[in-house]
Amino acid sequence: QKEVEQDPGPLSVPEGAIVSLNCTYSNSAFQYFMWYRQYSRKGPELLMYTYSSGNKEDGRFTAQVDKSSKYISLFIRDSQPSDSATYLCAMIRRGGSYIPTFGRGTSLIVHP
Amino acid sequence: DAGVIQSPRHEVTEMGQEVTLRCKPISGHDYLFWYRQTMMRGLELLIYFNNNVPIDDSGMPEDRFSAKMPNASFSTLKIQPSEPRDSAVYFCASSLLAGVTDTQYFGPGTRLTVL
Repeated sequence: QKEVEQDPGPLSVPEGAIVSLNCTYSNSAFQYFMWYRQYSRKGPELLMYTYSSGNKEDGRFTAQVDKSSKYISLFIRDSQPSDSATYLCAMIRRGGSYIPTFGRGTSLIVHP
Repeated sequence: DAGVIQSPRHEVTEMGQEVTLRCKPISGHDYLFWYRQTMMRGLELLIYFNNNVPIDDSGMPEDRFSAKMPNASFSTLKIQPSEPRDSAVYFCASSLLAGVTDTQYFGPGTRLTVL
């Protein structure tokens, strides 16, 4: 079993829908949580970063961390066709090198 | 800055051939990372360098893989001999430092197909 689990999808939603993307993890040492967005034929780019439990909002995007459940989420409000991409969660352990462990990514399709 | 540059963008080769992937990191970045991405395994770290020195190569799958960074502006990932299971997208990324808030900037990737 991978340390970070993420449903590959695809997740298909209509434009304007609220999207929920999720990851679970098994290692309680993960302390820092990130979401990357990867467009087709491109490299991943950092979207949001959060530390420990709680919520963080950035425009239409909200990242949520529940450390007690080892569960993180990314919500996208008013989704747009331009949000169509693969979303990868990534996590960094407390202590040691700050090298992220990535989930497999969830493919999101927002259709007009 | 042009961002991280990788070449070639696509590579098709036959089993047993040597493959060399190239990367030019963002100028001034001290860290360089090589990743491999497949549908089955997702994005996996192969090796990373700090100031041209390999720090952690535990992700390199086997001795057929080797990576070098002869200077701050160039790195190579070599596969010899290549096998069909090496087919994947290989990404190079660089960052200024390697702290939690230090963003890794990814290149466009090299799509490798081994027949």
